[in-house]
Amino acid sequence: AQKITQTQPGMFVQEKEAVTLDCTYDTSDQSYGLFWYKQPSSGEMIFLIYQGSYDEQNATEGRYSLNFQKARKSANLVISASQLGDSAMYFCAMREVLTGGFKTIFGAGTRLFVKA
Amino acid sequence: DTEVTQTPKHLVMGMTNKKSLKCEQHMGHRAMYWYKQKAKKPPELMFVYSYEKLSINESVPSRFSPECPNSSLLNLHLHALQPEDSALYLCASSQPREAGTEAFFGQGTRLTVV
Repeated sequence: AQKITQTQPGMFVQEKEAVTLDCTYDTSDQSYGLFWYKQPSSGEMIFLIYQGSYDEQNATEGRYSLNFQKARKSANLVISASQLGDSAMYFCAMREVLTGGFKTIFGAGTRLFVKA
Repeated sequence: DTEVTQTPKHLVMGMTNKKSLKCEQHMGHRAMYWYKQKAKKPPELMFVYSYEKLSINESVPSRFSPECPNSSLLNLHLHALQPEDSALYLCASSQPREAGTEAFFGQGTRLTVV
C-alpha cells in the first residue's frame, strides 16, 4: 500500500518569503504520480501541482514548484513569494490503484500561516 | 469548466431525518468519488463510481447510500445518521483510467448531525 508522510503539522512564513513544505512517500509502483492540494478554511480542495515519477524535470506552476527527489522518495512543495492568501492546509497526495479504480491518498497535512 | 459543484454547502439534520447531498461536474469525467473529512484530518475515501457503476465501497455503513444517475451527477443519500457522522463531505471527479491525472474536488458539504 502507498503511504504519504507530512511531518510538519504547522509552518509559519513571513509574507513575500519562500517556504518549503515537506512530503515523503512510499510505494512499490514503478509508475506513480504525486500531487499537492491546498485547502482553505472554506473547505474546497484546490489542485496545485503534479509530478509524474518519470518526469525528468521538477514541476512548476506559477509560484509553486515541486522539489522531486526520487531516490529519497521526497516531493517537497516550494511556495515562493508567500502571500497572505496562501494561509491554508496543504496536503501531499498520491493516486493508488485499487481493483475497480483509483483513490487519492493524502498525507496528514501541513497548516501554513503567512504573517504580514 | 473545471468545477465540481456540491449542494448544499451546509446541512444540519436530526438523527431520524433523510437528506441527500448532490454533486455535479461537466468536465466529461467518468469517475466520481465521495470523501469524508473530519476536522484536522485528511479526506478519507468512501465510494468510487466508474462509468456510472459503483466500483469501490470502502466499508461504509449502509446509512450512507450513494447514487450515480448519470455521468455528470453523484448523490449521497443519508438516513439515520449518528452525531459522529458530522464532517465535511467532499465530492471529486477524474478520468477513471489514468493514475497520473488529478482529481478535482468540490467545495464540500459541511454536515452536522444533531
